[in-house]
Amino acid sequence: GAVVSQHPSWVICKSGTSVKIECRSLDFQATTMFWYRQFPKQSLMLMATSNEGSKATYEQGVEKDKFLINHASLTLSTLTVTSAHPEDSSFYICSARTGEGRNYGYTFGSGTRLTVV
Amino acid sequence: GQNIDQPTEMTATEGAIVQINCTYQTSGFNGLFWYQQHAGEAPTFLSYNVLDGLEEKGRFSSFLSRSKGYSYLLLKELQMKDSASYLCAVRAFTGGGNKLTFGTGTQLKVEL
Repeated sequence: GAVVSQHPSWVICKSGTSVKIECRSLDFQATTMFWYRQFPKQSLMLMATSNEGSKATYEQGVEKDKFLINHASLTLSTLTVTSAHPEDSSFYICSARTGEGRNYGYTFGSGTRLTVV
Repeated sequence: GQNIDQPTEMTATEGAIVQINCTYQTSGFNGLFWYQQHAGEAPTFLSYNVLDGLEEKGRFSSFLSRSKGYSYLLLKELQMKDSASYLCAVRAFTGGGNKLTFGTGTQLKVEL
């Protein structure tokens, strides 16, 4: 089945620095990937939709200059948290659209636990 | 926008059956997903409904009524490893394409 690899699984960074999270589709081409953020005991909140070769579409309230998304190839999307602050500490999860037709599904990466100190 | 409601917590006994409900309000409905998520891990796919009725997959079944904006996930022969958060997610078509929105999740605790 479709596998999405997300790296790193956890990262600790200093306030003010930038962190890059990678999401790779291992055995399929992902034209569309999604980035979510999940705070403790809350559900997944969609941050942005990433389409290969074009600019990402951000959800309302998500700063595009702070959360940089690049989807330059059919197997890789990256999320860079710039000038990270402690309030950016969260669980970040990517997913890729999988399957054909109207009833396509989603495969999730294993998530990245970001802690900003 | 979308509004998805599910109970926050449920407790059940090993070997029993539990039903987790999900109600939603949305326009452009285009499918409902159930995911299982263990703490600190990514969600894993359980089931998908787009038409009314019951979908059965081993110990897990999911039901959908589009007219009532209602779905449930049924877990049979509960095992301790089923203790997890269960997420209801609704896909809807918006002006910019399909969007998947998650409910807050139901934390299920399976006890002996």
